[in-house]
Amino acid sequence: GDSVTQTEGLVTLTEGLPVMLNCTYQTIYSNPFLFWYVQHLNESPRLLLKSFTDNKRTEHQGFHATLHKSSSSFHLQKSSAQLSDSALYYCALSESQVVGQLTFGRGTRLQVYA
Amino acid sequence: EAAVTQSPRNKVAVTGGKVTLSCNQTNNHNNMYWYRQDTGHGLRLIHYSYGAGSTEKGDIPDGYKASRPSQENFSLILELATPSQTSVYFCASGDTGGEQNTLYFGAGTRLSVL
Repeated sequence: GDSVTQTEGLVTLTEGLPVMLNCTYQTIYSNPFLFWYVQHLNESPRLLLKSFTDNKRTEHQGFHATLHKSSSSFHLQKSSAQLSDSALYYCALSESQVVGQLTFGRGTRLQVYA
Repeated sequence: EAAVTQSPRNKVAVTGGKVTLSCNQTNNHNNMYWYRQDTGHGLRLIHYSYGAGSTEKGDIPDGYKASRPSQENFSLILELATPSQTSVYFCASGDTGGEQNTLYFGAGTRLSVL
C-alpha cells in the first residue's frame, strides 16, 4: 500500500531561521495528491498546502512546497520561522482524486524558540 | 468553513464496555472518516464512508465498527472496549470537486479505557 515518511520526531529551531520538514512517499499510482496538514496544540489538523502538479511550487501562509515525482518528495519549507509556527505537521498522500482517502505520515513536531 | 462536530469530547470507559463516538457534519460532504491519533503513529484511518448507508474499512479497523445512517452523521462503535483503544479520535469530512481531497476535522474525542 501507500506510505509516507517524514522527518521523525521533534525539530527545534530558533526564530528567524529557515524551516525544512522532509516528506517522501511511496505509491504505485502515477498521479498522487500530496498534502501538508498542520495541528496546533489542542486543536484539530487543518490543511496547509496541497499539490498534484509535478515540479510546481505551491505556497500558503509563508510556507511552500514543491512536488517532485522524480524523487517522490514533497518537502515543506519556510524562509524564516516564527514562534507561531510551533505545531505538529503531517504530510499526507492520496492516490485518488475521487475517493479522497488520505494516508498520513507519522507527523513532525516543530518547536520554534525565541 | 466546514463544520464537523464530535461528541462526546471526553469519555472514560471500562474495559469490555460499549462506546459510541458520534460525528455530525453540516456541509453535505459525501465522504466521512474516523482517524485515531497516537504519539509515534500519527493519524491512522479506522473506517470511512462514501455516503449514507456505506462504510468501508480503513487501515486499522479491528475492534471498531462504523455506521453512516445519514449524510450528516457518522458513528464509530467500540463493542468491547480495550485499554489499547485509549486514544484521541478525530472525525473528518471531505468531498470531491473544487476542494477535492481537503479534509475538515472535528475537534476530537479523547477516550480513556480503564
